[in-house]
Amino acid sequence: SQQGEEDPQALSIQEGENATMNCSYKTSINNLQWYRQNSGRGLVHLILIRSNEREKHSGRLRVTLDTSKKSSSLLITASRAADTASYFCATGRTGAGNMLTFGGGTRLMVKP
Amino acid sequence: GAVVSQHPSWVICKSGTSVKIECRSLDFQATTMFWYRQFPKQSLMLMATSNEGSKATYEQGVEKDKFLINHASLTLSTLTVTSAHPEDSSFYICSASMSDTQYFGPGTRLTVL
Repeated sequence: SQQGEEDPQALSIQEGENATMNCSYKTSINNLQWYRQNSGRGLVHLILIRSNEREKHSGRLRVTLDTSKKSSSLLITASRAADTASYFCATGRTGAGNMLTFGGGTRLMVKP
Repeated sequence: GAVVSQHPSWVICKSGTSVKIECRSLDFQATTMFWYRQFPKQSLMLMATSNEGSKATYEQGVEKDKFLINHASLTLSTLTVTSAHPEDSSFYICSASMSDTQYFGPGTRLTVL
């Protein structure tokens, strides 16, 4: 079963707006990672946040992690049409080596 | 750095044939590689963990005799779909692990007629 659940499943916004995607998980984790996937393509690693970190930034991306609530959020600021893609969170669990478990993903559409 | 390639990117085959998919880490060595499959508009489902020099670890419900995995070197893992059937049609993605991050290949779209 999927470790992570993401919401919303789909999100449509206008260019320039911010997009927020949420991810919840159930078990203890070492880290949580966000990936992006354009249609029919492989996954691109966006950002990794460790279980002892609360917030991380990379360019227009901001990721938060709340281990008490077992949740994370990905914020994309000043969205662009090129940000249109599916976004997945993936958790690396304690004792599972480098194995990742993926959430269901959020399909983001940014309208020009 | 951290580039992973897959070959082929797209394959169409007849039912009953076997298809081999290669996953290579181009600029780093990976003791562990992972194989996933993804159906349209769905998330990635882990099929198996491929360990260099040892047998792969398969997830529950994945037939090891159906999906043969070989990880003979630190830069190459192969997935062979044996006796493919239309229900095996899917997008197969591999990843190679370096530190805590997995780097993904571009995927292979398999269509079984």
